[in-house]
Amino acid sequence: VQLLESGGGMVQPGGSLRLSCAASGFTFSNYAMSWVRQAPGKGLEWVSGISGTGVWTSYADSVKGRFTISRDNSKNTLYLQMNSLRAEDTAIYYCANNRVIRFLDWLKNYYMDVWGKGTTVTVSS
Amino acid sequence: QSVLTQPPSVSGAPGQRVTISCTGSRSNIGAGYDVQWYQQLPGTAPKLLMYGNDNRPSGVPDRFSGSKSGTSASLAITGLQAEDEADYYCQSYDSNLSVLLFGGGTKLTVL
Repeated sequence: VQLLESGGGMVQPGGSLRLSCAASGFTFSNYAMSWVRQAPGKGLEWVSGISGTGVWTSYADSVKGRFTISRDNSKNTLYLQMNSLRAEDTAIYYCANNRVIRFLDWLKNYYMDVWGKGTTVTVSS
Repeated sequence: QSVLTQPPSVSGAPGQRVTISCTGSRSNIGAGYDVQWYQQLPGTAPKLLMYGNDNRPSGVPDRFSGSKSGTSASLAITGLQAEDEADYYCQSYDSNLSVLLFGGGTKLTVL
């Protein structure tokens, strides 16, 4: 199982970036996926998640209305479109595949199983 | 201030036992949602250490154990080793916020 993020870089406040996460070694469409970020010197923050089919999506309040998660199961790739970027969005962005022991409902009891190495986003003028 | 509260730091000598607590509320841990633990070694991506409260992924030594009671969970590490020095994060789901949550993280120092 391998996840490889790309698309990070430096962008000015108010700008946009699209992150990608290429998956291999597992049946991508069978798994929900998440983006998790870590600001410099800070802890982990779950950003967004998407179900295997793409029907269900969820976002942290801090990014709702500005970020959009999507996936292309034919390309085994997860995306995060980030608009209206702010300085506080500066972070390493990790993608991870989600698993659950006992399925209750979308997102409940989900956890991050395998993580990518991350891609760095810097928002600065 | 994280919804899941962890001590900022813990420490122990090699061979000792340490525990890291994760305190939540009735909308997350107390509601019965599973707790996970992740280990992040310096300069690396997080790694799943414990899932479903007390299940170790393949390859994680049995020196690591997890438990949950009420609105709290704990990670215990016995036979502390220098390689255990890392940041540790708990994670669960919150029904009020409808999001996945992480604790603020705990830095483990091996003396």
